[in-house]
Amino acid sequence: GENVEQHPSTLSVQEGDSAVIKCTYSDSASNYFPWYKQELGKGPQLIIDIRSNVGEKKDQRIAVTLNKTAKHFSLHITETQPEDSAVYFCAARYNNDMRFGAGTRLTVKP
Amino acid sequence: NAGVTQTPKFQVLKTGQSMTLQCAQDMNHNSMYWYRQDPGMGLRLIYYSASEGTTDKGEVPNGYNVSRLNKREFSLRLESAAPSQTSVYFCASSSLTGAQQETQYFGPGTRLLVL
Repeated sequence: GENVEQHPSTLSVQEGDSAVIKCTYSDSASNYFPWYKQELGKGPQLIIDIRSNVGEKKDQRIAVTLNKTAKHFSLHITETQPEDSAVYFCAARYNNDMRFGAGTRLTVKP
Repeated sequence: NAGVTQTPKFQVLKTGQSMTLQCAQDMNHNSMYWYRQDPGMGLRLIYYSASEGTTDKGEVPNGYNVSRLNKREFSLRLESAAPSQTSVYFCASSSLTGAQQETQYFGPGTRLLVL
């Protein structure tokens, strides 16, 4: 089955700086890569996703890049704000098999 | 439109007790999922239901059973709870099935402590 590794496990940045979280996956058949944000005491919420036929996708301050050859994808958050502080999860999916990374705790210091 | 709802929010069980976690969605989604979340391990799929009337095992199904009661509701049952089942349980739903890519929407979670 799919194995997803996520780095770093914790990330602290100053408000206004950029944050980058990286994930690698093992199953070359995976074709859908979502990113979720989880705030304390809540369920994960989708923030952006990318499909295997696309190399990059942007949504305001958030972008995701995918390198299928290297089997890795990254989340980029620019101009970080304190409300971006949360745990972020990447995932990789093929058919009904969705595998999640272990999560990155992002702290944005005012 | 409440999205995905889960009950209860919190539960404490003694080893060997049974309980059912309830999940409902009002988005007319075909697929529903149960995950558990443990510290440092992300989310792991327990069971899923691709459509009403079907259920399949995920990555960690042992010790659990599920029922897809109708299109809206998908329950998770622990027949004899064990301390290893202490976790936060999330239900999710999505609108596409099979080889098509999909977006999963998660509920708020149920925190379960087994003593």
